[in-house]
Order: sequence, then structure tokens, then C-alpha cells
Amino acid sequence: GAGVSQSPSNKVTEKGKDVELRCDPISGHTALYWYRQSLGQGLEFLIYFQGNSAPDKSGLPSDRFSAERTGGSVSTLTIQRTQQEDSAVYLCASSPVAPAWREQFFGPGTRLTVL
Amino acid sequence: SQQGEEDPQALSIQEGENATMNCSYKTSINNLQWYRQNSGRGLVHLILIRSNEREKHSGRLRVTLDTSKKSSSLLITASRAADTASYFCATDAITGGYNKLIFGAGTRLAVHP
Repeated sequence: GAGVSQSPSNKVTEKGKDVELRCDPISGHTALYWYRQSLGQGLEFLIYFQGNSAPDKSGLPSDRFSAERTGGSVSTLTIQRTQQEDSAVYLCASSPVAPAWREQFFGPGTRLTVL
Repeated sequence: SQQGEEDPQALSIQEGENATMNCSYKTSINNLQWYRQNSGRGLVHLILIRSNEREKHSGRLRVTLDTSKKSSSLLITASRAADTASYFCATDAITGGYNKLIFGAGTRLAVHP
């Protein structure tokens, strides 16, 4: 079966523009996570979805960041009025729900560059 | 905020040598995972060790966990050039019924032929 896919793989945008990043999780995985990784750094948790709801949005850095998930599958991370500090690799991961602790399966990421 | 801290930040060895990476964390955990990342893209899960386990093996990988010291180590034996990657530990404290992973900054491993 297919793994987690993300699109686009690379995105270059100008400061102030909005961007949308897409994640297709593994079929049947109800948990979906977004992370951000700045150059040479570890992963920063952004948001978690269980089905279509997001019980934990604590990692979103500002109100310019939002995410949604539809049909318990595809998720979109939207960054409005992008800033240069938003430049990073955005990684999506999915996992089965039960048991509560499981490995997460990561997509290849979207490299966002804000000029 | 990052809970795990890997040590060293970078490691350079020759093929055939063993590579040891360490991870320290701050709060109690349910389990700890190690991931590998090639070229700054997607992560691949390597191994998971539960808080009640002390050692676990998978192929050339050996992971230890010392909950009293809040530390873990990843040993790669007989390293190969293909092992060149960044390695991250991630602590997995169940929050609200799901596994929120908190990653360290990683160790960059370079294995030279």
C-alpha cells in the first residue's frame, strides 16, 4: 500500500502570500500529525487530527496557521500572509489509533521557502 | 519545545565502526522511539522501546533505556556508508489518548567508506 504523500514537494513563495500544503495519509489511519522542521533542527509539533477533529492545536505558531481535514483522510495546512521565518520543511505523519502509542509514518515533506 | 537532546550533534566514523548516539529527556515517558532521516526529508521509524524495557535489538541496532537517568542510547554496529543520515529520538507521552511525539534536535551521522 501507498505511504503518506505530501504535495507540493517544494514551494517557493513571496512574503505576504498564502500557501496551502497537502497531506494524504495512509489509508485507514485515523490519526494525522503536522510537524515543522527548520534547517538543522528537530521536529516541532504543530497540530494533531483524530478523524476530522483537531483536539490539539497547541503547536500552531500563530493565527496565520490553520489546518483542516476532510473525510477523515486528506489534510491541508494553510499559512496566510507568509513570513520569511515560516521557511522550513513541513512534515505530515499518520498512525493508527489503537493502541494509543504507535510509530508514526511520515511523508517526504514539503520544503517551503518564503522570499 | 524539545524534550529530547541528542548527543553528539554530529558524528563521523569509518565503515565497519560502531556508532553510538545518546538521547536525554526531561519528563516521564511511556515509550521512546528512534527515527532516521535522510537528506532532511521524511523520517523513518527505526525502533520503539517501552518505559518498562531496558534494551531492545533490531538487526544492527541496539537501543537501551535508563528511565532513572532519563536517557537512551542507539548503537549501530558494523556501520555502512548507507547509514549516513540524521537520527532523532522522540519521546512519546500519551496526551489526551494519543501519542504526541516530542523530538530532539538529532545527531548527524556520517559514515565514510
